[in-house]
Amino acid sequence: AQRVTQPEKLLSVFKGAPVELKCNYSYSGSPELFWYVQYSRQRLQLLLRHISRESIKGFTADLNKGETSFHLKKPFAQEEDSAMYYCALSGPGTYKYIFGTGTRLKVLA
Amino acid sequence: DADVTQTPRNRITKTGKRIMLECSQTKGHDRMYWYRQDPGLGLRLIYYSFDVKDINKGEISDGYSVSRQAQAKFSLSLESAIPNQTALYFCATSDPGTAPGELFFGEGSRLTVL
Repeated sequence: AQRVTQPEKLLSVFKGAPVELKCNYSYSGSPELFWYVQYSRQRLQLLLRHISRESIKGFTADLNKGETSFHLKKPFAQEEDSAMYYCALSGPGTYKYIFGTGTRLKVLA
Repeated sequence: DADVTQTPRNRITKTGKRIMLECSQTKGHDRMYWYRQDPGLGLRLIYYSFDVKDINKGEISDGYSVSRQAQAKFSLSLESAIPNQTALYFCATSDPGTAPGELFFGEGSRLTVL
């Protein structure tokens, strides 16, 4: 079954602390993986995708095919990182996107 | 810039009423999607369309129908609304291409069914 699992509903960290948002997936094949973010009163938007291998706003995510994970990391959390984060996958050629249940990140001052 | 526009933004209705949520886009994308967001359940796909003649059910299509009136317009209907359809609904589009591209979301339509 195709599934994206985000085990943490809420993650609270202090400003300046490292943060890791977990994402595990189940897919028979090689999916494309994404992280989307929803800041307060803003639209859901793409944060990064694994195929780009880029760092956005200090965030990185490494695809680990052996562990079927795509965890989102940032070495030093900022208050403006507080938001809802969704991990998502899309199967090659399907153009359907499956989302996880989301993790709310709160960065405390 | 409101490239993906949803109307209405908020709606309160009663059980049994017919409701239509509308989505229009100026991005020129062929692919359009309707998602539902519920606390603790994330985003779940209701329907998706790859062009005006191609409409597909998502994982939770029961109780919903859609219409793709034009490339730029994709409407979601609840023929007879029920309280468990109370949710935040998102329309999204994606760029055509050979690889899954970025999804562009509307601002959401909050529906409350009493």
